[in-house]
Amino acid sequence: EIVMTQSPAILSVSPGERATLSCRASHTVSSNLGWYQQKPGQAPRLLIYGASLRATGVPARFSGSGSGTEFTLTISILQSEDFAIYYCQQYNNWPLTFGGGTKVEIK
Amino acid sequence: EVQLMESGGDLVQPGGSLRLSCAASGFTFNSYAMGWVRQAPGRGLEWVASISVSGDTTYCADSVKGRFSISRDNSNNRLYLQMSSLRAEDTAVYYCAKAELFTDPFDFWGQGTMVIVSS
Repeated sequence: EIVMTQSPAILSVSPGERATLSCRASHTVSSNLGWYQQKPGQAPRLLIYGASLRATGVPARFSGSGSGTEFTLTISILQSEDFAIYYCQQYNNWPLTFGGGTKVEIK
Repeated sequence: EVQLMESGGDLVQPGGSLRLSCAASGFTFNSYAMGWVRQAPGRGLEWVASISVSGDTTYCADSVKGRFSISRDNSNNRLYLQMSSLRAEDTAVYYCAKAELFTDPFDFWGQGTMVIVSS
């Protein structure tokens, strides 16, 4: 099983600032990596797939990078609606696995 | 508009069984792979099971293997999760989700249905 590790667990950021979230895979997942956003009481929403491709309707301030075992999600200018929990997920191997999440909170 | 509507969640005793259903609309159901992902209270996401477009290939997480099974009815646009030998640790919100291909990320999720396993 590929273990996905996200850091930090909690990221405190002020609105308008940049947020950088990390995700590490225990074995290579190539570019088969997705990022999801989840707000309280809501279902997750796909933001990024293929490590760097924005899903339909996702604002350009969200960007993903990386390949192999190291990945990054960057939110360039945090808006109030971006405060949420973010999960990475690898879909290169079965079982599909998620990271533990990074909570982006208001500083 | 794409919609996935889960149902069937309930309070069930340990060792009991339950069948979850997911009604799909707004897209060509028989062209997409589907899956179930769960989230225990206050915890992260855990993939449970996935099924191919035709339904002839399925994968399940080790934590539910032999107890849960995923199936689909393409004629009625429905996804199912049959759960048996339920344990307290199966308590979670269960989401159904769609993926373009069997090995793709989940690009749309339902709102979830709550399963509570408790005596």
